[in-house]
Amino acid sequence: RKEVEQDPGPFNVPEGATVAFNCTYNNSASQSFFWYRQDCRKEPKLLMSVYSSGNEDGRFTAQLNRASQYISLLIRDSKLSDSATYLCVVKGGQGFSFIFGKGTRLLVKP
Amino acid sequence: GAVVSQHPSRVICKSGTSVKIECRSLDFQATTMFWYRQFPKQSLMLMATSNEGSKATYEQGVEKDKFLINHASLTLSTLTVTSAHPEDSSFYICSANGLAGSIDTQYFGPGTRLTVL
Repeated sequence: RKEVEQDPGPFNVPEGATVAFNCTYNNSASQSFFWYRQDCRKEPKLLMSVYSSGNEDGRFTAQLNRASQYISLLIRDSKLSDSATYLCVVKGGQGFSFIFGKGTRLLVKP
Repeated sequence: GAVVSQHPSRVICKSGTSVKIECRSLDFQATTMFWYRQFPKQSLMLMATSNEGSKATYEQGVEKDKFLINHASLTLSTLTVTSAHPEDSSFYICSANGLAGSIDTQYFGPGTRLTVL
């Protein structure tokens, strides 16, 4: 099993839809969790951290399930500008390393 | 906060030449910087982890003599692609481990697009 695993997609959704991505990790010692967004031919940018209690930032909600070792990202009322690749990142374990998932591609269509 | 710059943004060079890419953390000190490579439509690939004042740790399959990394200060790391070949053409992205507000994570530079002719 890969250290951090994501469905590569693409997820094709209409504007205004709600879409959710999951990401699983296999190191129970992981301590910090993040979602990044990467646009085509650009660098990844931090979207939000993921806290144990779950956290929300506008239309975006991130949740962590330590027992099942997965994190999720929910996007409500999708906009065309949400089209991007969403990277799941897990930090912790030996050496406090960062492990990136390969990303989930989202396409929001009019 | 947590701004990372990278220079140059784009470079075209002839096969056999060396190219140096700079990565700077502008508003924070980064004891650890990372270098990634990304080919079109593929995911990020970590090349090496660079710690200030010590030798970089390279990922399996990355040639340390070809990709020279220097992290001489807390705000600057450089990657030199030596004797570049067309297969080295790629998008090279650095990141720095820093703290912005209360979030301790990696912050990425804008990347360098390398084309080797």
